[in-house]
Amino acid sequence: GNSVTQMEGPVTLSEEAFLTINCTYTATGYPSLFWYVQYPGEGLQLLLKATKADDKGSNKGFEATYRKETTSFHLEKGSVQVSDSAVYFCALSDLQNQGGKLIFGQGTELSVKP
Amino acid sequence: NAGVTQTPKFQVLKTGQSMTLQCAQDMNHEYMSWYRQDPGMGLRLIHYSVGAGITDQGEVPNGYNVSRSTTEDFPLRLLSAAPSQTSVYFCASSLWGGHLNEQFFGPGTRLTVL
Repeated sequence: GNSVTQMEGPVTLSEEAFLTINCTYTATGYPSLFWYVQYPGEGLQLLLKATKADDKGSNKGFEATYRKETTSFHLEKGSVQVSDSAVYFCALSDLQNQGGKLIFGQGTELSVKP
Repeated sequence: NAGVTQTPKFQVLKTGQSMTLQCAQDMNHEYMSWYRQDPGMGLRLIHYSVGAGITDQGEVPNGYNVSRSTTEDFPLRLLSAAPSQTSVYFCASSLWGGHLNEQFFGPGTRLTVL
């Protein structure tokens, strides 16, 4: 079945460091891919998405490119800030998946130190 | 717009008690769903609904009931709480269940079953 695998956390970085959070997926069909962010004590918010191969999603300095050949959707940011401290979830949604339900990775906690 | 609202924010139950987690959205979204979030496991789908009067099971439906009598509301019922249901519960909604659509999440309900 469909699944998403993320790199394990927690990830601790200093402010202005480069961030990569790896995400790979297994899916039938042609899924859409998402990154959601969860700030402490809050629900999930959509960070970015890509709906077809080679699409690049971007938002708030974060980027991820839909790589079908490597089944990956790695999240990157060139210079992280303390305010980026949160849990990041990679997810996929497939039309074959009961009307587009989301399948989530386990989440990666990011902590950015000043 | 209030978006997706959930009540209560926190709840402690004893084994065998019943309760209803409330979820409401004011965005006229057809698709609503319930997820549970457990450490190291990401979010898993419990039940979902593609419109008023229509519900279906997700990945982990056992021990939970849902109904959808209106577009706005999608309550989740625990008939006889068990310690294994200790978790954080998130309600989400989207315009429809298609894989291109962003899902909006509520702030969550943290449930502890003793």
